[in-house]
Amino acid sequence: DAMVIQNPRYQVTQFGKPVTLSCSQTLNHNVMYWYQQKSSQAPKLLFHYYDKDFNNEADTPDNFQSRRPNTSFCFLDIRSPGLGDAAMYLCATSRGRGAAEAFFGQGTRLTVV
Amino acid sequence: AQSVTQLDSQVPVFEEAPVELRCNYSSSVSVYLFWYVQYPNQGLQLLLKYLSGSTLVKGINGFEAEFNKSQTSFHLRKPSVHISDTAEYFCAVRGGNTDKLIFGTGTRLQVFP
Repeated sequence: DAMVIQNPRYQVTQFGKPVTLSCSQTLNHNVMYWYQQKSSQAPKLLFHYYDKDFNNEADTPDNFQSRRPNTSFCFLDIRSPGLGDAAMYLCATSRGRGAAEAFFGQGTRLTVV
Repeated sequence: AQSVTQLDSQVPVFEEAPVELRCNYSSSVSVYLFWYVQYPNQGLQLLLKYLSGSTLVKGINGFEAEFNKSQTSFHLRKPSVHISDTAEYFCAVRGGNTDKLIFGTGTRLQVFP
């Protein structure tokens, strides 16, 4: 059974048109992450939540926002997508700090046209 | 802050040959180390993790890794690879007192018949 679910798997959006990617989890984990992964590159951490505490990476553009309305759901909002935002977006969850492993969803492939 | 270096961007190998994928980390605090595998257009799947104790860690699909504190390394090995092992492999680190999971740049393992 899928434990971290990302919808949709593939998303096409127009340049400048706001888009929202969603992630849900059935693991009841405290931590939820959003990563951006461009072709042949490492996943880059955009931000993460520990429960409701939001942690933004210093180099995450303001164009990227996130919401976590409850434990199970987390959203990534891109306010004005540019061509450079085309990437795979990965959501992951973790039980907590330190030793806890991260569980990843299948990812959402975002195309900007 | 923690960081991870994967020295090899690509590793070509013939089927049934042994393979080693290299990973070095840096951290001023105790760390937890992970190896993940990513197949095309998929999320990341945990292969194995080092938390503490025995420095030799066994994972899924016949992979193992050895933690070497003096050399700050966590190299991944498999004694005999299969075509199905062709994928991208990421080393990741998390400091003991943080939520953040940081990835290396990845190593593309290509297994040839």
